[in-house]
Amino acid sequence: DQQVKQNSPSLSVQEGRISILNCDYTNSMFDYFLWYKKYPAEGPTFLISISSIKDKNEDGRFTVFLNKSAKHLSLHIVPSQPGDSAVYFCAARLAPNYGGSQGNLIFGKGTKLSVKP
Amino acid sequence: DTGVSQNPRHKITKRGQNVTFRCDPISEHNRLYWYRQTLGQGPEFLTYFQNEAQLEKSRLLSDRFSAERPKGSFSTLEIQRTEQGDSAMYLCASSFGSLVHEQFFGPGTRLTVL
Repeated sequence: DQQVKQNSPSLSVQEGRISILNCDYTNSMFDYFLWYKKYPAEGPTFLISISSIKDKNEDGRFTVFLNKSAKHLSLHIVPSQPGDSAVYFCAARLAPNYGGSQGNLIFGKGTKLSVKP
Repeated sequence: DTGVSQNPRHKITKRGQNVTFRCDPISEHNRLYWYRQTLGQGPEFLTYFQNEAQLEKSRLLSDRFSAERPKGSFSTLEIQRTEQGDSAMYLCASSFGSLVHEQFFGPGTRLTVL
């Protein structure tokens, strides 16, 4: 079963507008959530993370919101730029030593963002 | 460039052959991870090292797979008797100290098994 779900395979947004990427999770033992951006033929690039004890973290144009009661997080990109066009992965880390885990990340399937000029 | 590097970037092999990939993490990072990514999926965890010790292996890591990190620096991932189902992107990531959740990925090695 998928513990981290990104239900929208793609999203198209106009340049300058807000992009909102969503992610749902099922395991309440996740202690960190992360967003990665991936361009074709490159590895994922770390964007922003949030601890499970927070509900918001902001870094420049990127803000991540965490709703623990709904087991939902979202990444907001404002304003969106054409260079933001990429696949965005939501990832979660199991708290270390939970079920034998040393903190490996569990990824969603990704959402392809297209920002149109 | 001080990021995570992986070699080779691409590998094409015939079924049944052995392949070996190398990962050089960011120099001060003591933790190293291997992931596998197939088309339309996110990366899936394979194994993890802290310094030279291999501390965790996923169920995905069959006995044909072996990983080493002999001196706590670079790591190798070997696949013996490759199968077509092994075709994937193999990603290496590293992290450091208290920021263990922030893993930095290399460009990956794309394996094609014919």
